[in-house]
Amino acid sequence: QKEVEQDPGPLSVPEGAIVSLNCTYSNSAFQYFMWYRQYSRKGPELLMYTYSSGNKEDGRFTAQVDKSSKYISLFIRDSQPSDSATYLCAILISSGSARQLTFGSGTQLTVLP
Amino acid sequence: DSGVTQTPKHLITATGQRVTLRCSPRSGDLSVYWYQQSLDQGLQFLIQYYNGEERAKGNILERFSAQQFPDLHSELNLSSLELGDSALYFCASSVETAYNEQFFGPGTRLTVL
Repeated sequence: QKEVEQDPGPLSVPEGAIVSLNCTYSNSAFQYFMWYRQYSRKGPELLMYTYSSGNKEDGRFTAQVDKSSKYISLFIRDSQPSDSATYLCAILISSGSARQLTFGSGTQLTVLP
Repeated sequence: DSGVTQTPKHLITATGQRVTLRCSPRSGDLSVYWYQQSLDQGLQFLIQYYNGEERAKGNILERFSAQQFPDLHSELNLSSLELGDSALYFCASSVETAYNEQFFGPGTRLTVL
């Protein structure tokens, strides 16, 4: 079993739709929960992070973590064609200056105009 | 532009050969990370260096090695290359915050023929 499992997609939605992206994880030692966005032929960039159970909002994006069920989600409201990208959940373990990010396999999202 | 630079952008080589990938982190970032991204394995953490010293190790093969130099740039050496090593190799750098936002470079696409 992979440490982080992500719904593989691909996902295609019409502009304005609400998008839900989901991951599960197995290691309770994970400390931070992140979503990275990767446009085609680019490196990933951090979209949002959170460390506690509950919701965190940033504009049209909401990150949700449920530590009891080891489930993380990203919701995108009023999706735009510019949101078309691959979304990667990522989970961080750190110890002193050591940092290890474990990524999900990514969900490719296409928002159709 | 994340501020992380990687060279070369593309590399085509033959099986059994050795290559070196180079990364320059953002100014002031002490940590450098290497990742391999392939279609079947996704984005996999290879290794982290912090201020010249190895700090964390992921799924890095013994044929692969890395180092970080006093000027903080890093090199990833891949030897005895196999077809399966064909992938995108990303370097990232970060400042030392709790949530460890990593800034990714544009990647080096390695093709092993």
